[in-house]
Amino acid sequence: DQQVKQNSPSLSVQEGRISILNCDYTNSMFDYFLWYKKYPAEGPTFLISISSIKDKNEDGRFTVFLNKSAKHLSLHIVPSQPGDSAVYFCAAGEYGGSQGNLIFGKGTKLSVKP
Amino acid sequence: GAVVSQHPSWVICKSGTSVKIECRSLDFQATTMFWYRQFPKQSLMLMATSNEGSKATYEQGVEKDKFLINHASLTLSTLTVTSAHPEDSSFYICSANTLARTGRNIQYFGAGTRLSVL
Repeated sequence: DQQVKQNSPSLSVQEGRISILNCDYTNSMFDYFLWYKKYPAEGPTFLISISSIKDKNEDGRFTVFLNKSAKHLSLHIVPSQPGDSAVYFCAAGEYGGSQGNLIFGKGTKLSVKP
Repeated sequence: GAVVSQHPSWVICKSGTSVKIECRSLDFQATTMFWYRQFPKQSLMLMATSNEGSKATYEQGVEKDKFLINHASLTLSTLTVTSAHPEDSSFYICSANTLARTGRNIQYFGAGTRLSVL
């Protein structure tokens, strides 16, 4: 059973517009959420995180929103740039977890067209 | 951010040989490192959690004798694919957790190793 779900395998957006990537989770013990960006044949790169005590975290063009009641988070990229084209993984974990295990979604491939 | 180095970046080997992949945390000590495997167009699959000074914790379905993990120091974990077969061909990625250093549960990833078994 998938604890972290990214239901959209792909997303295509025009340059300059907003990209919205969605993620749902089922485990109510998760209290820390992260987004990673991955290019082919490379390891994932950490983008932004949010803890469950917040509902929004912003870093430059990237904003993550968390809706705990809906067990849903989203990543907004605005304005989108062609260099943002990559696979984006949502991950969740327990902040207090001793080992820091993270559960990853299957990823959403974002294509930003010039 | 923290830097994790993974070596080699790609390896081609004959069936039956063993391959060792190294994962190093360059600017911090990592008591815990993670090994993932990614099949084409699929998500990262956690294989095992590598604990410094103790045995690794393997996920269900991952063969311990097939994928040997050694975490001998606070900056180095190795994954050895023993008697590799074509079905072991995959993209292997390691990560290190900064929880102990920063209190933030963020994993930083190596660049990955592409293993092709002929």
